[in-house]
Amino acid sequence: EAGVTQFPSHSVIEKGQTVTLRCDPISGHDNLYWYRRVMGKEIKFLLHFVKESKQDESGMPNNRFLAERTGGTYSTLKVQPAELEDSGVYFCASSLRSTGSTDTQYFGPGTRLTVL
Amino acid sequence: GDSVTQMEGPVTLSEEAFLTINCTYTATGYPSLFWYVQYPGEGLQLLLKATKADDKGSNKGFEATYRKETTSFHLEKGSVQVSDSAVYFCALRRIPEGNKLTFGGGTRVLVKP
Repeated sequence: EAGVTQFPSHSVIEKGQTVTLRCDPISGHDNLYWYRRVMGKEIKFLLHFVKESKQDESGMPNNRFLAERTGGTYSTLKVQPAELEDSGVYFCASSLRSTGSTDTQYFGPGTRLTVL
Repeated sequence: GDSVTQMEGPVTLSEEAFLTINCTYTATGYPSLFWYVQYPGEGLQLLLKATKADDKGSNKGFEATYRKETTSFHLEKGSVQVSDSAVYFCALRRIPEGNKLTFGGGTRVLVKP
């Protein structure tokens, strides 16, 4: 079974440019999450999709970030325009169920974003 | 709000040494607790978890016990190998807060032969 995949693995852009990150969850997982780790600090939650609906977007830092999950399969996270403080590693995770103590989130390898 | 504090690294130790990584949390109610591990070049993998007080999670020789009285979930391994070199993250989840995980800052462990 394929795991969570993310593309690209690395992205280097100039301040003010736009970047789109993609996440493909494990097949059959309705729940998809975005997290990010900035400057070696804590990994912080950004948002949670259940199928194509945003269940919780309380962690989105501002309106420069736009996440979509059309069709309830893969998801994209767009940053427009990118700022220096957006640099970090963006992780995607998916899970089969959204509640219950037995649910496990499976993480992708992350996309390292560098904004110059 | 919820928070997780874990010891800062890097932690450097020799093969076969004993490893402890401290983790404490702040949260109301009864969170589930997790340890994730990130090996070089890979994504986070769930290492072990515990869902209620006094539960012990274990996997690959690692153990952690959910201590409600001290709000702790320390990770231990009796004899580390070079292959255990990685970054370890402690995390919690509270269902009333949705399904999001709250992570600590991560602890880098380097095991030397």
